[in-house]
Amino acid sequence: GAVVSQHPSRVICKSGTSVKIECRSLDFQATTMFWYRQFPKQSLMLMATSNEGSKATYEQGVEKDKFLINHASLTLSTLTVTSAHPEDSSFYICSASDPFGGLQETQYFGPGTRLLVL
Amino acid sequence: GNSVTQMEGPVTLSEEAFLTINCTYTATGYPSLFWYVQYPGEGLQLLLKATKADDKGSNKGFEATYRKETTSFHLEKGSVQVSDSAVYFCALSDPYSGNTPLVFGKGTRLSVIA
Repeated sequence: GAVVSQHPSRVICKSGTSVKIECRSLDFQATTMFWYRQFPKQSLMLMATSNEGSKATYEQGVEKDKFLINHASLTLSTLTVTSAHPEDSSFYICSASDPFGGLQETQYFGPGTRLLVL
Repeated sequence: GNSVTQMEGPVTLSEEAFLTINCTYTATGYPSLFWYVQYPGEGLQLLLKATKADDKGSNKGFEATYRKETTSFHLEKGSVQVSDSAVYFCALSDPYSGNTPLVFGKGTRLSVIA
């Protein structure tokens, strides 16, 4: 089936630095990708919807200047956490939507990226 | 808004035991309902789905029935295996809005011991 990869799988960074997370659809083109965030023992919470060639749509409460999303091609979306702080430590998961899939089950999820900010 | 509530884990069962993971939802209209599974170190995989009331989704011995009257979509399996150890997420989506994100429950960790 379709595969979505994320890189890196885990990253540790110092407070104040920026971290870029990549989400790739490996064998299909994705016009829409979603970025989720998951705190320990909590739900996946949608952060933003990333559409190829246009600006991302952010959920209420998500700072767009802090979480920069770029969807420059049909197979790659990036999430950059700028000036990271310890409270940004979390598990970030992306999903890619297959435009030919029709129904919701054609969302494919990446394995997630665990970010730890010291 | 839409929300999903699933039972707290972790759930620990012996091999061949019966599994139930409860899931209830709050939504306007008639959402589609899903169960996703996340094995250690891997991404979320669709386990099964149901798109309308009384539909039963099934896959790999797991099944769940869309119960509108109780707004529930409980996951069941008659005989679990060690390989079923994973985190299970109940989720819903708006079926009328095309590519929309999913609303997830918190996830339930299942550990099956031999």
